[in-house]
Order: sequence, then structure tokens, then C-alpha cells
Amino acid sequence: SQQGEEDPQALSIQEGENATMNCSYKTSINNLQWYRQNSGRGLVHLILIRSNEREKHSGRLRVTLDTSKKSSSLLITASRAADTASYFCATDAVRSTLGRLYFGRGTQLTVWP
Amino acid sequence: SQTIHQWPATLVQPVGSPLSLECTVEGTSNPNLYWYRQAAGRGLQLLFYSVGIGQISSEVPQNLSASRPQDRQFILSSKKLLLSDSGFYLCAWSRTGLLGYTFGSGTRLTVV
Repeated sequence: SQQGEEDPQALSIQEGENATMNCSYKTSINNLQWYRQNSGRGLVHLILIRSNEREKHSGRLRVTLDTSKKSSSLLITASRAADTASYFCATDAVRSTLGRLYFGRGTQLTVWP
Repeated sequence: SQTIHQWPATLVQPVGSPLSLECTVEGTSNPNLYWYRQAAGRGLQLLFYSVGIGQISSEVPQNLSASRPQDRQFILSSKKLLLSDSGFYLCAWSRTGLLGYTFGSGTRLTVV
């Protein structure tokens, strides 16, 4: 079953603008991860935030985690056309000892030049 | 460095035909291995995972099976494909204690 759900399903912005995507999940987690998928390709790991962390940065990416609300957000600052892709959150449930990840349906981000 | 290979990239198969998709990992040992399926415009559904040779766990009942004959080889199979088996199949690996998956480039399967 899917654990995470991203919102919005689609997001269209101009280059230079910031893009914010949200993820909600259902059960307690060990960590939450964000992945990117270019059309027709495999997923690429972007960033991981542990359940005891509230915010994490990596380059133009900023991830927040609110475990009380069971939600996370991914912010891409100063977006570029090359950021156009689908973005997925994935959670590693607390009860899972085997590192199984459950993915949401993703947010399709389109950045117009 | 670790790499993951998945093939073929695309496949068109008739209903009722068998299926074999292969995934291999290089540069690591004892990886956890996973097969996911992604339907058009949908998220990823975990199909199978394996923590060692011959150890396969299935997430959902389906028309597919998986095998791990060698430490770094993971195979997805079907004896008779259904139309509903069409989709984008992704193999991934991870290491216990290391976080984050590495995905293969995927196989797009179309059952006609």
C-alpha cells in the first residue's frame, strides 16, 4: 500500500521561481526521502531526512519534516528548466526492519524557461 | 563505485507469453534488492524484495514471481502475461545501514 501522498499532483512555474511540494504519510517513520524521476527514467535519490530532524538543506533543496502532522515539504529554490521532472516522497516505516520504501504518486513539476 | 543494470529497456509481449526481466548490481555485496512497478501516471508499487540469495518476499499477490539466484542478480518473471502487467518496472538496491535506494533505468513493458 502507498504510504506517502504528494500534493499538488502537478505544478507549473517559471524559471527563477520557487517550487514547493508537499507529502503526507500515514504511519510512524524512521526517515523520509525525496526522489526525482525524469520522464521514462529511473528514480534518483535527492535527500533524506530522519524522523528526529526538522529541516535539511542540500544545494537548492530544502526539506522540512513535521512528524506531529505526518507531513513533509520539498522546496526547490530558483528553479531551472532542468528541474522539470516528477518528484516522489518515500517513507521507511518504523515497523519495517528491511528498509522497504513506500512511494507516493508524485508531483509533476514543469519549469518554463 | 556501485552500478545497477536493468534490461531490456523496452519490451512488447503478447498476452499469455512468458516474461523474464533481469537486474544486476555491481560494486557491492549483500545488497537488498527490490522490484517496483509504476503504472502510467501513478506512483511506485513495491512488488518484491530480497535480502539474500533465494530469499524473496512478495508485497502483493499477482501474476509475477521473482528469484535471486546469485547475490547480485534479481529476476522478475511471469509464466503468462496479462494485459494488466503492462507498466514501467524498476529494480533498485540498498544496503542495510545505508539509506537511500539506487534505481536502475527501468524496463517499459507493454503487453498486447
